[in-house]
Amino acid sequence: DTEVTQTPKHLVMGMTNKKSLKCEQHMGHRAMYWYKQKAKKPPELMFVYSYEKLSINESVPSRFSPECPNSSLLNLHLHALQPEDSALYLCASSPALDNSPLHFGNGTRLTVT
Amino acid sequence: SQKIEQNSEALNIQEGKTATLTCNYTNYSPAYLQWYRQDPGRGPVFLLLIRENEKEKRKERLKVTFDTTLKQSLFHITASQPADSATYLCALGTGGFKTIFGAGTRLFVKA
Repeated sequence: DTEVTQTPKHLVMGMTNKKSLKCEQHMGHRAMYWYKQKAKKPPELMFVYSYEKLSINESVPSRFSPECPNSSLLNLHLHALQPEDSALYLCASSPALDNSPLHFGNGTRLTVT
Repeated sequence: SQKIEQNSEALNIQEGKTATLTCNYTNYSPAYLQWYRQDPGRGPVFLLLIRENEKEKRKERLKVTFDTTLKQSLFHITASQPADSATYLCALGTGGFKTIFGAGTRLFVKA
């Protein structure tokens, strides 16, 4: 089991639904990340939070809305998604230092119908 | 444009042999390079990190080299075992929390 917990493990949603992905870590890490991974492709960086402030947004469409309510929690709010947004969404955390390895959760498998 | 390439999509080797995986990059000046292991349906797991001023790093049966002149890293697993079968990802850090991943190499170790 990883120290980064993601819920739910699987999510099926329609294009008009609103849903949220949740991520939690208790390692005291102050940097948290969202990555998106399609089958047989590398994880692609979406967002980075450092000390609960958004520090990187990789030109992600506004239908994805991140939120970092406190140093342990990271959410990704989803609205009006497209079928091509179906993917594995990975949360990661690290100490807020350059060169720090990432600790990943096992992801949420999202299917948009 | 910036690119990270891992030598092959898949690598098949016999148990007990050394697996060597390659990561090449262009148009990056990474401060460090990392290797991760990913099993199907799971998140990547960190294995090793090597900094730009280091030539080699070892951990148990794993060894990583980093040649900033060739813009290449080699990842070796010695005495490979079927349990080593997984996808191995190299990742570059360019600073500021930005870590970019290569497409990965799927390693199959046959008993």
